This record gives sequence, structure tokens and C-alpha cells, in this order.
Amino acid sequence: QVHLVEFGGGAVQPGRSLTLSCVGSGFNFNNYGMHWARQAPGKGLQWVAVMSSDGSDIYYADSVKGRFSISRDNAKNTLYLQMNSLRPEDTSVYYCARDPGAGVAGSIDYWGQGTLVTVSS
Amino acid sequence: SYVLTQPPSVSVAPGKTARITCGANRIGSKSVHWYQQKPGQAPVLVMYYNDDRPSGIPERFSGSNSGNTATLTISSVEAGEEADYYCQVWDSDTDHVVFGGGTKLTVL
Repeated sequence: QVHLVEFGGGAVQPGRSLTLSCVGSGFNFNNYGMHWARQAPGKGLQWVAVMSSDGSDIYYADSVKGRFSISRDNAKNTLYLQMNSLRPEDTSVYYCARDPGAGVAGSIDYWGQGTLVTVSS
Repeated sequence: SYVLTQPPSVSVAPGKTARITCGANRIGSKSVHWYQQKPGQAPVLVMYYNDDRPSGIPERFSGSNSGNTATLTISSVEAGEEADYYCQVWDSDTDHVVFGGGTKLTVL
């Protein structure tokens, strides 16, 4: 059974940094692309970034490009999202999610339960 | 950027058929995926590659995609299917995942 668990959310001041982690289990983490997506309170889903299984392909949403960095450690079955220069509009529940392809198929077949990031002074 | 347009809300009586649309320029040339999200929960994939159902999704869920509109159809709607539904595509021009704004399905 595919299981994705996010860690690292919390409250942070504008301009500061935060790193999220996501541990995958129940599947061969090495073989799948992985996404981060987010959802602001009461709003819709917004895609953040994706990384292919081997890290060779990485894409970011325009709203986070240059501030956020996605990475992975396949030996630890872990996906990361380094978030720098955080803004109040980055306040969201952040979801880790699996792409059904080893590359970037561009869809999502499993989602974690999410971790809340609140950016406020 | 590629924009997916969904109606904010759809209402249907129990046992009737709900149709949730997702509109965009030439969306029929893309693969559309649909997610169901109940309050306080993570999204769940309910339709992928336009008309394929993941295991565990009832046959009452079906999908279609042609021209400028993709549609998620839920027949014999049940109260437990009241949720927000999102369509999604991969925009190969920008290498971005794109979500629609979401449709709140209300079962009357």
C-alpha cells in the first residue's frame, strides 16, 4: 500500500526558510517521479514542483521558481522541498504526491496527507 | 499559460447523474486527470488519462474528453460523493502541471 508522509511544516516569518520532507513507503521510491503541490486555506490545488525518479528532470511553478528547490534521496525514500524567501502567500497545506511515471508523466496517482506551512509575522 | 475552467458548483439529487466540466483550448488533445477531495482530506485520483478508472473507483464514475471540453460524469450519485472535484493536465509547452479551479459537488 502506497504511503506518503510529509514532515516539517510550521509557522515561519516572511523572508525566512523552511524545508519539508516526505517519506514514501509501500512502493519502490526509486522508480517514480515525485511532486509537491499546495492548497491555500479555502482555495484550490496549486502545483509547485516535480522531480523525475533519477533527478534528471525538474520543473517548477512560476510562482516558486528561484525560491523553492526540490530534491530527493532515493536511498532514504525521501523527497524534499527547500523553501526560501517565504511570503505570506506561500501559506498553504503542502502535499507530497507520486507521479505514475519514472520520468514526469504529469499526473498524480497518490497523495500524502499534507503539512501546513504558515508564513506570518 | 494554459487555463482550465470549471464551474464553481454543481448540484444534483441523490440517484441522479452529475456532470462536471473542464474547459480549455483544444483540451481534447491532452490527457485529463480528475481528483476528488473531501473536506479535511487529501485529494484522491478518480479518473486518469481521460477515461480510465483507478482500482477501487466505482464504475459509476466515467470520463470523456473532446474538443474544448473534458467531462467527469458520476451516475447514480450518492451522498458520500459530495466533494470538490479538480481536473488536471500536463502542459507540455511549459512543462507545468495545471489544475482547474475546482467544482464543489453538492448532493441535495
